[in-house]
Amino acid sequence: EAGVAQSPRYKIIEKRQSVAFWCNPISGHATLYWYQQILGQGPKLLIQFQNNGVVDDSQLPKDRFSAERLKGVDSTLKIQPAKLEDSAVYLCASSRLGLAVYEQYFGPGTRLTVT
Amino acid sequence: GQQLNQSPQSMFIQEGEDVSMNCTSSSIFNTWLWYKQDPGEGPVLLIALYKAGELTSNGRLTAQFGITRKDSFLNISASIPSDVGIYFCAGQDQGAQKLVFGQGTRLTINP
Repeated sequence: EAGVAQSPRYKIIEKRQSVAFWCNPISGHATLYWYQQILGQGPKLLIQFQNNGVVDDSQLPKDRFSAERLKGVDSTLKIQPAKLEDSAVYLCASSRLGLAVYEQYFGPGTRLTVT
Repeated sequence: GQQLNQSPQSMFIQEGEDVSMNCTSSSIFNTWLWYKQDPGEGPVLLIALYKAGELTSNGRLTAQFGITRKDSFLNISASIPSDVGIYFCAGQDQGAQKLVFGQGTRLTINP
């Protein structure tokens, strides 16, 4: 079974620029999560989707971050405009519907550097 | 918001030594979890704990869910080079279907 795919793996941008990350979850996984992991910290949930609906986006900085999962499969996370403090690894995770929240599989992440 | 504090932040040990790390919270959690993250990869679940006082093993790993439901520890026995990585604790509040992660313990093994 293929794992969670993310691209790009690395991205370097200047502050005030825009950036987008893509995630393809494990086939059949209805729930998709985006996490932000700042260097030296644990992952922090940004947004959770169930199919193409948002379950929790309480920690998403909505003034600059947006995410969508239009067809209930792939998802895109966008930052516009980026700030220096957005430098982090952005992790995508997915799980089957009905399973415990911790039964999620993480992708390798996208490392973003904002200069 | 809820916070988890892990200690130590880093450990430098010799191969073959036992390792112990712990995690404390200001809040009660119904589920405690331990993950390992290798460089360039996402976290991988090692052990899940569901009941206060529960002691669970997974090979050389042993973890316990504290009686107060506000802490947990992870032990690794007879460490080997592939144990190198960052270990995260995480808690799940039954009311909120999401995980809260600690800041991690970085394990380095000296040859």
